Amino acid sequence: NAGVTQTPKFQVLKTGQSMTLQCAQDMNHEYMSWYRQDPGMGLRLIHYSVGAGITDQGEVPNGYNVSRSTTEDFPLRLLSAAPSQTSVYFCASSGFEGYTFGSGTRLTVV
Amino acid sequence: SQQGEEDPQALSIQEGENATMNCSYKTSINNLQWYRQNSGRGLVHLILIRSNEREKHSGRLRVTLDTSKKSSSLLITASRAADTASYFCATDEGNRDDKIIFGKGTRLHILP
Repeated sequence: NAGVTQTPKFQVLKTGQSMTLQCAQDMNHEYMSWYRQDPGMGLRLIHYSVGAGITDQGEVPNGYNVSRSTTEDFPLRLLSAAPSQTSVYFCASSGFEGYTFGSGTRLTVV
Repeated sequence: SQQGEEDPQALSIQEGENATMNCSYKTSINNLQWYRQNSGRGLVHLILIRSNEREKHSGRLRVTLDTSKKSSSLLITASRAADTASYFCATDEGNRDDKIIFGKGTRLHILP
């Protein structure tokens, strides 16, 4: 089992550029979510989804869009990147006994 | 706003000693989870304790939950160098969905 796969692992963007962070899971989990992690801030929830076709906002949703067309995939879109979005992004899916996290995407916006 | 808060923020102990971390939260919950994160890596799920459980064990880990005090503790016994990591508690908000909120974590450093 691959678990949760995130791509890319690293990305540098210029201010104003857009991009999509990919997340895929092969565990047939209904629940998926995106977090960002900044130094000293822990993990903050951006968006989450309780199943295909259903998404909702977390703590810090501004500047990000998500969609959930399939159970397996939950992409995160940055519409117009800003330096404040420099962070490490984690995707996770939830099973009966807890979350499985991807290995993260380190994003730098210059 | 963050639901869970870990205490202490940082902890250094000698190898072989026990490490205790605490987590306090604000609202009623369905369950509480503990995660470990090694530097530069993703989070790894350690243990989940449900609101009707008071204590749970997994190997060298012992988790307690006191819903009346809205607090939990994670005890790592006989610590090893490989236990050096950040530890996070995560709680739901008593809702039916799986959304969980993380605390800021405790940085644990095991000294040789």
